Amino acid sequence: QVQLQLWGAGLLKPSETLSLTCAVYGGSFSNHYWTWIRQPPGKGLEWIGEINHSGNTNYNPSLKSRLTISVDTSKNQFSLKLSSVTAADTAMFYCARVGEQLWSFDYWGQGILVTVSS
Amino acid sequence: QSALTQPASVSGSPGQSITISCTGTSSDVGGYNYVSWYQQHPGKAPKLMIYHVSYRPSGVSNRFSGSKSGSTASLTISGLQAEDEADYYCSSYTSISTYVFGTGTKVTVL
Repeated sequence: QVQLQLWGAGLLKPSETLSLTCAVYGGSFSNHYWTWIRQPPGKGLEWIGEINHSGNTNYNPSLKSRLTISVDTSKNQFSLKLSSVTAADTAMFYCARVGEQLWSFDYWGQGILVTVSS
Repeated sequence: QSALTQPASVSGSPGQSITISCTGTSSDVGGYNYVSWYQQHPGKAPKLMIYHVSYRPSGVSNRFSGSKSGSTASLTISGLQAEDEADYYCSSYTSISTYVFGTGTKVTVL
């Protein structure tokens, strides 16, 4: 069974850098893209970006200038960094697996609430 | 990239069928058969219900079905049950190798 577990700082001040890591347990790490998705409180889902085991990335154009997604294949982990955060970045952040040849998100982490407040 | 358009809310009585629409463009929904649907209960992570427009993952009830016509995809829930009350989101792969979600639909079982 595939499990995704994420962690990181839950409270940030404006202008700081958001940093989250997601660890993958079970299944194949190298056969998939791994993605980040966020959801502001009471609002809809927003796709952030994805990475594969080779480090190939695709980013949401609206976040690209502040976004870095990286991978550590030795630990089956991938990470998200979002710089210069504002209150508008307050959201539940999820990591998820892109199903092989599915172009959809078949396994999700539990989510972590990140709040940006002065 | 703009969010795909979904109705804010849809409701139905137990046993009835409801359909949720998801409208995009030729650069996303209309251009690829990579539309998926997710169910999200309050406080929970989303769950994949439909992929590739109309395919169900193992374990998902056959009361859930998907279709697409042009740039509009649809999710139909038949035999509506109380447990189906949740938020539903569509998603599509796009022409710039990204994904875009729909605005979300709250399903209420009357």
